[in-house]
Amino acid sequence: SQQGEEDPQALSIQEGENATMNCSYKTSINNLQWYRQNSGRGLVHLILIRSNEREKHSGRLRVTLDTSKKSSSLLITASRAADTASYFCAPERGQNFVFGPGTRLSVLP
Amino acid sequence: EAGVVQSPRYKIIEKKQPVAFWCNPISGHNTLYWYRQNLGQGPELLIRYENEEAVDDSQLPKDRFSAERLKGVDSTLKIQPAELGDSAVYLCASSYRGIRTTEAFFGQGTRLTVV
Repeated sequence: SQQGEEDPQALSIQEGENATMNCSYKTSINNLQWYRQNSGRGLVHLILIRSNEREKHSGRLRVTLDTSKKSSSLLITASRAADTASYFCAPERGQNFVFGPGTRLSVLP
Repeated sequence: EAGVVQSPRYKIIEKKQPVAFWCNPISGHNTLYWYRQNLGQGPELLIRYENEEAVDDSQLPKDRFSAERLKGVDSTLKIQPAELGDSAVYLCASSYRGIRTTEAFFGQGTRLTVV
């Protein structure tokens, strides 16, 4: 598969803990995006990281990209119940963003 | 700034009926995507437009699905006739693709139920 593959498929943590989600892909990419989707809602864009970047931050989010390992990670620090959602990575394959099945994160109060 | 606007939000139709979805992308975005998302899965690309040209429709089931993007702005996605398996959320996204690609932003989607 040339789409992003998130790992784990599901993650359950306590509020205040950190959550780490991983994404692997098969082919070289130009960019990779991370999205959040709350149940029954649209996808919210979190971060775009380019192939020449290794790390990006946005608030409590930190995204890393290792092109040699063809992998990316999303770290959410000090998680909140409102972070409960599905998280997707979307590597840019060709000129399309291809989504994996996502990681379902549950943050328990 | 308005985001990607899709309508309708929900649609229930009987099988074999036609249905159409509409998308208004973010102003200035030249790239428009239609995705389909089944329950519990990630979005799957159906078609990508660069301005008014469909540059990748390899995943679009062309026997029943059609799309257009007139004047390189708004887009419609049509299914005729609909089948039970077409029940899903249809998502539209847009981005600007120039020297560097910008973020792709999604609309709220249209939830289609075929009965």
